[in-house]
Amino acid sequence: GIQVEQSPPDLILQEGANSTLRCNFSDSVNNLQWFHQNPWGQLINLFYIPSGTKQNGRLSATTVATERYSLLYISSSQTTDSGVYFCAVSGADSNYQLIWGAGTKLIIKP
Amino acid sequence: IAGITQAPTSQILAAGRRMTLRCTQDMRHNAMYWYRQDLGLGLRLIHYSNTAGTTGKGEVPDGYSVSRANTDDFPLTLASAVPSQTSVYFCASSPSGYNEQFFGPGTRLTVL
Repeated sequence: GIQVEQSPPDLILQEGANSTLRCNFSDSVNNLQWFHQNPWGQLINLFYIPSGTKQNGRLSATTVATERYSLLYISSSQTTDSGVYFCAVSGADSNYQLIWGAGTKLIIKP
Repeated sequence: IAGITQAPTSQILAAGRRMTLRCTQDMRHNAMYWYRQDLGLGLRLIHYSNTAGTTGKGEVPDGYSVSRANTDDFPLTLASAVPSQTSVYFCASSPSGYNEQFFGPGTRLTVL
């Protein structure tokens, strides 16, 4: 089945810094989503982005489907950005289920 | 609009007991899903339903059952709970397969 790898596993930054999170996947996808899981465990949808580029405020994402990777950019980090960022994908053989990466744990220090 | 609601928020359960986790969505989505998240890991699919009246097995279905009698509700039942089922359970829905999935707040289940 499709494999999803996220990097880096951990990231510690000062408030105001920019960051890039990467998601590599092993096969073609028809769904790719980025989520933020906050310290209270809530999953927040960030982007639905099987291809192309999207922006929402300080966050943006790019998926290059032909090269099988996606990037999540966070600019001017705030302490509320702390948490775990997950990439999840589904492919033609996934029966619609999302296959999740292990996540990137982001800590923003004030 | 509430989106997706799950109940209970948390539960401590004795091993061997039967438990049903409830999930309700008000978005009229066709597809619904149950995932479990173990400590420090990503989510894994337990069961899914593409439309009312149909269900399918995900990656980790053993020990769990589901039903989809109508569009809005998708309960998950543990027939005889075991400690390895201690986890956080998330329900999700999407308009149809391959669309964006939206998640409920989760149920934290501890089996002793």
